[in-house]
Formats: sequence, C-alpha cells, structure tokens
Amino acid sequence: KQEVTQIPAALSVPEGENLVLNCSFTDSAIYNLQWFRQDPGKGLTSLLLIQSSQREQTSGRLNASLDKSSGRSTLYIAASQPGDSATYLCAVRLQGAQKLVFGQGTRLTINP
Amino acid sequence: ETGVTQTPRHLVMGMTNKKSLKCEQHLGHNAMYWYKQSAKKPLELMFVYSLEERVENNSVPSRFSPECPNSSHLFLHLHTLQPEDSALYLCASSQDPELALWDEQFFGPGTRLTVL
Repeated sequence: KQEVTQIPAALSVPEGENLVLNCSFTDSAIYNLQWFRQDPGKGLTSLLLIQSSQREQTSGRLNASLDKSSGRSTLYIAASQPGDSATYLCAVRLQGAQKLVFGQGTRLTINP
Repeated sequence: ETGVTQTPRHLVMGMTNKKSLKCEQHLGHNAMYWYKQSAKKPLELMFVYSLEERVENNSVPSRFSPECPNSSHLFLHLHTLQPEDSALYLCASSQDPELALWDEQFFGPGTRLTVL
C-alpha cells in the first residue's frame, strides 16, 4: 500500500529565505507526482506536476525534483515571501491507478 | 466561470436530512473526483468518474451516493450522515489518465460540511 510522508509537519522561517519541503513515498512504481498548496479553509491549487520520467520541474520561484528510485521529492522555494504561507501537499499517482495518494502536508509560515 | 466550482460552500445538516453537493468544471476535462479532507488526516479519495462512468469507489459508505450526469457536472448526494462525516469535501477534475499523458488535477474550493 502506497504511503506518502511529508516532513516537517510545520515550518516557520523569516521572509527572504530559501527553503526545502520534503516528500517521501514507499512504492516507487509511480506514474507522476504533484505538488499543491492549500490556504486555510480553501481548495487545493496545483503548483507542479512531475512525470515519472522527469527529474524536475520549475515554475517561477518553485522547483520540484523527483528521485523515483529512492522514493523522494523535494519542493524548493526561493526567496520566500509572506504570501507563500500555506499548507503544501504532495501526492503520487501509482501506475495503473487513477487515484492520488496524498501526504499530510507541511504547514509553512513565512514571517515578515 | 472558470476552473472548478462547488456549491454550496458551507452546509450544516442534521443526521436525518438529505442534501446534495454540486461540482462543475469548465476545463474540458473528462474525469472528475470527490475527495474528503478531515482534520488531522490526509486527503482521501472517495469516487472517480471517467467519461461519466464510475471507475473507482474507495470503500465509501452507502450514505454517500455520487452522480455524474455529464462530463462537466458531478454531484454527491448525502443522506443519514453521521457527525464523523463532518469534513471539507473537495471536487477535482483532470483529463482521464488512461487517455492522456498529462493528468494534472485541478480542485474546487470545497464544501465545508457540518453534521449535527
């Protein structure tokens, strides 16, 4: 059974710092991995999707990497801003399945 | 309207009520999903519809009944719910991953459900 773990559960850093959020998964037979952000009481906003054949994806100040063999992905946020404060979720889709399996998220706070 | 919309945004119901949640996507996708997000637990998939056919039912109790009349609309009919069913219910859509290489999922804002 696929399990997705995100560490740390919560992170608080001053504005301007570069930071890394971690995601690990137990079954490396994934089709893709997706990173989302969720603001309190709101839905999920898709940030990046990495196919299993890719190593990384970039969008603005965000860079996500994928190491399928070791079951890990990282989300790098450069020059963090208070508006980046949210919960960040990673989710994997197994090969041959349509469901996403989610981690519990990292709650990020950027202090001005 | 763009993206994925959900109504109502908030719902309070008694255990004997019957209500429905509605989701609509304006992205031209052919797969739609219901997820449940409870406090302190990861997001859980409930149902998947692809081309208006249910392709996955993730061991959800029968008091939750989905309906997908067309590729743009998805409903979740609720009856005789329990207080532990209180949660944020999220709808999502994507291209069917069996038919398209890119199946990025896009989510609606959710319905906050409270069962008294």
